[in-house]
Amino acid sequence: EIVLTQSPATLSLSPGERATLSCRASQSVSNYLAWYQQKPGQAPRLLIYDASNRASGIPARFSGSGSGTDFTLTISSLEPEDFAVYYCQQRSNWQHAFGQGTKLEIK
Amino acid sequence: QVQLVQSGSELKKPGASVKVSCTASGYTFTTCTIIWVRQAPGQGLEWMGWINTNAGNPTYAQGFTGRFVFSLDTSVSTAYLQISSLKDEDTAVYYCARSKIYGSGTYSDYWGQGTLVTVSS
Repeated sequence: EIVLTQSPATLSLSPGERATLSCRASQSVSNYLAWYQQKPGQAPRLLIYDASNRASGIPARFSGSGSGTDFTLTISSLEPEDFAVYYCQQRSNWQHAFGQGTKLEIK
Repeated sequence: QVQLVQSGSELKKPGASVKVSCTASGYTFTTCTIIWVRQAPGQGLEWMGWINTNAGNPTYAQGFTGRFVFSLDTSVSTAYLQISSLKDEDTAVYYCARSKIYGSGTYSDYWGQGTLVTVSS
């Protein structure tokens, strides 16, 4: 079973700052990794697929990088609407587990 | 436009069963798999598994075998999640989502609005 560990659990930043979120896999998932954003009371939204490709309609301030076991989601300059919970998910093997999430909150 | 519409909230007693529906529109239902995700109150996302909408065969995540059943009615573009012998800890929002091929893998690009299942005596 592949386990995804996200860090930090909570990230407190101000609008305009740069956010860096980490996701580490217990074994290689190649580039089969996605990032999702979830706001309170809403369904998750696909942001990034294959570790570094932005999904349709996702602003360019969101970028993903990494391969193997270490991945990063970067938000270059935070907008007020970016404060939410972010999850990574691996699609490498048949168990498509999510990480436990990083809450991005306003400082 | 693509939409996944789920059935409404349910309040059930322990030991009862519940069936949640997920009706798709705006695309050909059998071209994308449907996944199910659980989110307990205040908790993260748990991947429950998926169902192949072409062949109808389900795949269940560890921890979601036995009491959980995925099924389809392709004539009405609908997927179902049935949970039997409900327990208090099944209280959660259940999401369906379609998974489509993007790049090297399949990823969930459209999601239902979620169905709250509350188990309480």
